[in-house]
Amino acid sequence: GAGVSQSPRYKVAKRGQDVALRCDPISGHVSLFWYQQALGQGPEFLTYFQNEAQLDKSGLPSDRFFAERPEGSVSTLKIQRTQQEDSAVYLCASSLASLGYEQYFGPGTRLTVT
Amino acid sequence: GESVGLHLPTLSVQEGDNSIINCAYSNSASDYFIWYKQESGKGPQFIIDIRSNMDKRQGQRVTVLLNKTVKHLSLQIAATQPGDSAVYFCAEFLNKLVFGAGTILRVKS
Repeated sequence: GAGVSQSPRYKVAKRGQDVALRCDPISGHVSLFWYQQALGQGPEFLTYFQNEAQLDKSGLPSDRFFAERPEGSVSTLKIQRTQQEDSAVYLCASSLASLGYEQYFGPGTRLTVT
Repeated sequence: GESVGLHLPTLSVQEGDNSIINCAYSNSASDYFIWYKQESGKGPQFIIDIRSNMDKRQGQRVTVLLNKTVKHLSLQIAATQPGDSAVYFCAEFLNKLVFGAGTILRVKS
């Protein structure tokens, strides 16, 4: 069956450019999560949606990061004025339940800021 | 802040041997723990989970042990196969998932 998909898989941006990363969760999944994974590290929580409501954005590193899920399905993570320290893999996960215990991850988008 | 850590960054085992990957967690209030496997270029894949009211849970070739007294979690893989080579993460859940840094498992044929 269809899992979580993310696009693009790879993105190269020049410092200062804006980027938009897309996540298509598993159909019917209530919860959606974004994580940032630096090389050699575990994923770090960025933000959480329950349907269209963003319930937790405590992990967003700065106000340059913005996420939305307007119809409770597809989500977009936007990074404005990208910096080199934003280079990482951005992972999206979805969960059927509202608490998000069983999360299914997408393949990630590797962002490189030059 | 609260974090999950791993004792061994790299583990090399012979094919057919058993593997044990260890993890220490720091938040005694965490009520749910998960092991994930991540292969190169892919997202983390759920392996097995355990709730805080249990001390052992078995899956297919995998067993997770939870010792709440010393806040320790381990993943045991029986008869390790080349396809098990990956990075393994433990994660704890309280209000959100907190991952450790990962252990690289290398299986030698």
